[in-house]
Amino acid sequence: GDSVTQMEGPVTLSEEAFLTINCTYTATGYPSLFWYVQYPGEGLQLLLKATKADDKGSNKGFEATYRKETTSFHLEKGSVQVSDSAVYFCALTLDTGRRALTFGSGTRLQVQP
Amino acid sequence: DTEVTQTPKHLVMGMTNKKSLKCEQHMGHRAMYWYKQKAKKPPELMFVYSYEKLSINESVPSRFSPECPNSSLLNLHLHALQPEDSALYLCASSQETTGFYEQYFGPGTRLTVT
Repeated sequence: GDSVTQMEGPVTLSEEAFLTINCTYTATGYPSLFWYVQYPGEGLQLLLKATKADDKGSNKGFEATYRKETTSFHLEKGSVQVSDSAVYFCALTLDTGRRALTFGSGTRLQVQP
Repeated sequence: DTEVTQTPKHLVMGMTNKKSLKCEQHMGHRAMYWYKQKAKKPPELMFVYSYEKLSINESVPSRFSPECPNSSLLNLHLHALQPEDSALYLCASSQETTGFYEQYFGPGTRLTVT
C-alpha cells in the first residue's frame, strides 16, 4: 500500500542552523506531496506542496523538491528560528482510489536560542 | 481566506452523554473530512464527504455519526463514547477530493471522555 516514511525525531537545532527533514514515499501511482506543520495545541497548517516530479514547493523559507527517481520530498530551511519549533508531517495523496492524505509519522523539531 | 473553523475548542463529556462537534468553511470547497489525532501520532482519517455525500467511512464505530447539512458545514455527532476516544478531532476541507488539491485544517476540538 501507499506509505510515507519520515526521519525519527526529535530534531534539536540551534537558531540559524540548517534544517533537513527526510521524507520518502511509496505509492502505486503519481502522488501529490505535501508538508504540513503543527504547532503545539493547534491544527495542521499546509506548509508547501508539489504535484509533479521536479516541482519545488516553497513557503516561509522552507523548500522541498519532488524527486521521483529517489521517491523523496525532503524539507529544508537555510536558517531556523525558535518559532519554527513544531511537528512536521510529510503526506501524499493520489488522484485515484482512496484520494485521502497518507501521513508520515511526524518529526518534532526543537530550535534552541 | 483559507480558514476552517471548529467548535467547541475543548469538550469534556461522560460516556452516556450526547454531544456534537461542528466545522465550517466558506472557501467553496466541495470535500470535507474528519480526522482523529492521538498524542504524538499523525491524524487518522475517519470520514470524507464529497458534494455533501459520504464517500469514505474508515470503519469508524457507530458511536461516531457524521452529518453534512450543506456544503459549508460538517458535524460529528458523538454518543456513548469510550475513554479511548479522547483525542484531538480535526476537520479539513479541500476544493475536490482529487489528489491535486491540498486540504486545509481547522484548529481542532480537544475531546476528553470521562
